[in-house]
Amino acid sequence: NAGVTQTPKFQVLKTGQSMTLQCAQDMNHEYMSWYRQDPGMGLRLIHYSVGAGITDQGEVPNGYNVSRSTTEDFPLRLLSAAPSQTSVYFCASSYWPRRGLQETQYFGPGTRLLVL
Amino acid sequence: GQQVMQIPQYQHVQEGEDFTTYCNSSTTLSNIQWYKQRPGGHPVFLIQLVKSGEVKKQKRLTFQFGEAKKNSSLHITATQTTDVGTYFCAGRGDSSYKLIFGSGTRLLVRP
Repeated sequence: NAGVTQTPKFQVLKTGQSMTLQCAQDMNHEYMSWYRQDPGMGLRLIHYSVGAGITDQGEVPNGYNVSRSTTEDFPLRLLSAAPSQTSVYFCASSYWPRRGLQETQYFGPGTRLLVL
Repeated sequence: GQQVMQIPQYQHVQEGEDFTTYCNSSTTLSNIQWYKQRPGGHPVFLIQLVKSGEVKKQKRLTFQFGEAKKNSSLHITATQTTDVGTYFCAGRGDSSYKLIFGSGTRLLVRP
């Protein structure tokens, strides 16, 4: 299993450009989520999905869109990049909580985004 | 909305000293999870606590979940340089799909 993969590893954008951060997992996890981590800060939830076709907003959704057409993929789209979106973006996946099963979040390696 | 607060923000200890980080939620949690992130890396799952008052141990690490299921702690006995990193708690509210992370405690260990 590759686990959770993210591309690209690093990206530089100019203000106003758009781009898509890719996330894929091969563990058949229902739950997938996107977090951003600013320098020296914690992880803030952007969007999450509890299954294909179902997405919802997290703590800081403004400026980002997501879709979940398959169980495996959960791309994050920046509509019009702003310097405030400079951050490290982590994608995570897990099984949806079931009695007796651990809800382990598996994180991807992250995408480092710099918006000029 | 649900908030998860974590203290202290930083802790600098001498190798061999103990370390504790505390996590408090504004709402009752269905479970609490703990993660460790090494510098430049991604968060890695350590443990999940589900039951009120639950205590779990992993070698030198002891995790507790409060009776009211709103707070938790991670205690490391006799820290080692390999313990360096940021420790995060994360909680999901009873009726929420969202997993909210605390701000983390950065542990530095002097050899």
